[in-house]
Amino acid sequence: AQTVTQSQPEMSVQEAETVTLSCTYDTSENNYYLFWYKQPPSRQMILVIRQEAYKQQNATENRFSVNFQKAAKSFSLKISDSQLGDTAMYFCAFMSSLSGTYKYIFGTGTRLKVLA
Amino acid sequence: GAGVSQSPSNKVTEKGKDVELRCDPISGHTALYWYRQSLGQGLEFLIYFQGNSAPDKSGLPSDRFSAERTGGSVSTLTIQRTQQEDSAVYLCASSLEGGSGYTFGSGTRLTVV
Repeated sequence: AQTVTQSQPEMSVQEAETVTLSCTYDTSENNYYLFWYKQPPSRQMILVIRQEAYKQQNATENRFSVNFQKAAKSFSLKISDSQLGDTAMYFCAFMSSLSGTYKYIFGTGTRLKVLA
Repeated sequence: GAGVSQSPSNKVTEKGKDVELRCDPISGHTALYWYRQSLGQGLEFLIYFQGNSAPDKSGLPSDRFSAERTGGSVSTLTIQRTQQEDSAVYLCASSLEGGSGYTFGSGTRLTVV
């Protein structure tokens, strides 16, 4: 069975600095998708970034980028120029493309606090 | 609609009562998901609907939980004879196609007292 591990329950970063959130996963599949979601106090999960496993190039979305290491099964999120609005829970998620259901396996989350 | 709408936003119910949680997905999204987020834990898959196919109910924790999706649009998650361990945030999400990522609603916070 697939598993997703986020080993940092809480992190903090100074405004304008860079922070990296860790995520590792376990799967025997070769083709899958990886995601990072942000959950602010409003509870709504917001998609931050998405990576397809067959693509070697790391995904980037403005200040957010990932370091995808397929062999190591690692998928870390880098937030550059951190802003106060980045304060939230961040969840890493794995999605299999084989099951046909496209359901997520989520990690337990990292609570990020951006300090002024 | 423009986003995934869930109602009610918050629900407090007495132990043993039945509750219904509603989800209105984005128009045109054929896939609809329910997840449960318990305090201090990650999100747990409950059920998946895709078009007219039979739903994937593999995540439902007990037979007290059921869900339906009428007309390929609105979905209702029903919890019968609620227990205190059912207290959680119930999140609904919809997707246009597999692998593209979901759009989530803001969830229903259920508290069983």
